[in-house]
Amino acid sequence: EVQLVESGGGLVQPGGSLRLSCAASGFTFSNNAMNWVRQAPGKGLEWVSVFSGSGGSTYYADSVKGRFTIFRDISKNTLYMQMNSLRAEDTAVYFCAKGSSSWSPLWYWGQGTLVTVSS
Amino acid sequence: DIQMTQSPSTLSASVGARVTITCRASQSISSWLAWYQQKPGKAPKLLIYKASSLDSGVPSRFSGSGSGTEFTLTISSLQPDDFATYYCQQYDSYPLTFGGGTKVEIK
Repeated sequence: EVQLVESGGGLVQPGGSLRLSCAASGFTFSNNAMNWVRQAPGKGLEWVSVFSGSGGSTYYADSVKGRFTIFRDISKNTLYMQMNSLRAEDTAVYFCAKGSSSWSPLWYWGQGTLVTVSS
Repeated sequence: DIQMTQSPSTLSASVGARVTITCRASQSISSWLAWYQQKPGKAPKLLIYKASSLDSGVPSRFSGSGSGTEFTLTISSLQPDDFATYYCQQYDSYPLTFGGGTKVEIK
């Protein structure tokens, strides 16, 4: 059974940093594209970033490029998102979501972790 | 970036009704389109991929159609469990983009 469990969310001041984690199980982590998708309170879904499967390529939304970094630790089956220079508009629930190949739907989603950027 | 436009943004319907949601892409995405259902406080759930393929376990009352730039999600007979928000999403190219969502409410 595929399981994705996010952690690391919390309250952070504007300009601060936070690292999110997504622990994956039930599939071969290294062969699958893994994404971060966020949802601001009361708003729609916004794709944030992807770490592709075997190729290791990364892509980012323009809204986070240069501030967020996606990476993974295959030995721990864990996906990360390092978020720096956080802004109020980054406040959202962050979901990790499993693709398959680099271009695929998002087959499985975690339950999400809430990031609040506020002073 | 490919823009995805969904309509309507809100839809009121009764149990048993046939419901159709439309999604338009700003450029051709072939059939690289997915539909998700999201209930309050929960993660989205994949319903349909490749425009018309039903994900495993999804009831057959859900169907998808279209290609290129015009797509539809149809619920043939709305059930109480179907009241939720629905999103389309293109996966033709990065950045992946979602439609703004359609909230299906009880009439």
